[in-house]
Amino acid sequence: GAVVSQHPSRVICKSGTSVKIECRSLDFQATTMFWYRQFPKQSLMLMATSNEGSKATYEQGVEKDKFLINHASLTLSTLTVTSAHPEDSSFYICSASHRRNTEAFFGQGTRLTVV
Amino acid sequence: EDKVVQSPLSLVVHEGDTVTLNCSYEVTNFRSLLWYKQEKKAPTFLFMLTSSGIEKKSGRLSSILDKKELFSILNITATQTGDSAVYLCAELTGNQFYFGTGTSLTVIP
Repeated sequence: GAVVSQHPSRVICKSGTSVKIECRSLDFQATTMFWYRQFPKQSLMLMATSNEGSKATYEQGVEKDKFLINHASLTLSTLTVTSAHPEDSSFYICSASHRRNTEAFFGQGTRLTVV
Repeated sequence: EDKVVQSPLSLVVHEGDTVTLNCSYEVTNFRSLLWYKQEKKAPTFLFMLTSSGIEKKSGRLSSILDKKELFSILNITATQTGDSAVYLCAELTGNQFYFGTGTSLTVIP
């Protein structure tokens, strides 16, 4: 199956700093990438959908200035959590698909801890 | 080699049928196995399994984990058209998730 790699797998940062998370599709061109955040009781919330070369579409309630998403190439999307606060601590998971409405492959997740 | 393998890849059944979805995983640093249902925007959490042999149930859905044989099954009884979705399993190991590619279930009236 297709491989999607997230980096880093775990990051601890100080409150007020910014953290960048990378999501790479290793063996296919990902025209669409999705970013999720995991909440208590294991639920996943879709934060935004990004299409290569265009601005990400954010879900309602997600601050686009706080969670900056860039999808500059067909194999890389980044999520930058700006001015992180302890309440931003969570698992962030990306998935990528080759074409719209086709199966998506998930990354391994990034565990962010803001202290 | 895939870390989490789901089978079948797709399944078409009639309403009222019972289905069994399979998920096999690798053992390295295993913490738990999770099942999700994905219809639209984000996978919806169904079950988290950490102990072997203990069945978890929620309505017509049930799931069980076999840590000796390294697999889990998700059962859906008396299927309904609303059960049509992609069912994902994911292994949580250490601090990483490994998702399977999912089983696409279609329930026809």
